[in-house]
Amino acid sequence: KAGVTQTPRYLIKTRGQQVTLSCSPISGHRSVSWYQQTPGQGLQFLFEYFSETQRNKGNFPGRFSGRQFSNSRSEMNVSTLELGDSALYLCASSLEVGGGALNTGELFFGEGSRLTVL
Amino acid sequence: AQKITQTQPGMFVQEKEAVTLDCTYDTSDPSYGLFWYKQPSSGEMIFLIYQGSYDQQNATEGRYSLNFQKARKSANLVISASQLGDSAMYFCAMMGNQGGKLIFGQGTELSVKP
Repeated sequence: KAGVTQTPRYLIKTRGQQVTLSCSPISGHRSVSWYQQTPGQGLQFLFEYFSETQRNKGNFPGRFSGRQFSNSRSEMNVSTLELGDSALYLCASSLEVGGGALNTGELFFGEGSRLTVL
Repeated sequence: AQKITQTQPGMFVQEKEAVTLDCTYDTSDPSYGLFWYKQPSSGEMIFLIYQGSYDQQNATEGRYSLNFQKARKSANLVISASQLGDSAMYFCAMMGNQGGKLIFGQGTELSVKP
């Protein structure tokens, strides 16, 4: 069974550009969540999607957006990149059964997309 | 507000010995889940173990066990028989009623000595 797949793994952008990251969840998983990891702020929740709808959103500016497709694949987009957006972006998927990950504990991460903004 | 606290920024353990990584949490949600993840230098977050707040028994997964003390709001990870490959960052995380949203601690960097 394939795990969570994130693409691209590494990318370099310059300030002002925009970037799109992709996440393919584990087959059968319908919830996808995104996290930003930086040395200063640690791991912070960005947003979560379930059945193409955003269910939860973290405290990030509107430059950060996402969406989910009917096959549960998700993308996140960061527009007008700033130096502080340099980070490891992690995607996680979970199985929605009853209370979802809260009941099953199934919440698995991809390898991440490492973004460097110059 | 929900919060996870890991008070050990770094720890050393001798190979083949057991080690306990501390985690305390704070939440007002009546039901919640506690997760531990391992993050090697490659960056991938590897799921280790999960404990639901209503689970009566402490969770175990191979060499990993979770010492869950609900009244003290602690969820410590115990790794038995440490191996060199256990050297990594370890994160404790919590999910409350807002399904799909994990709150992470700052992590503990574990180094296993041969």
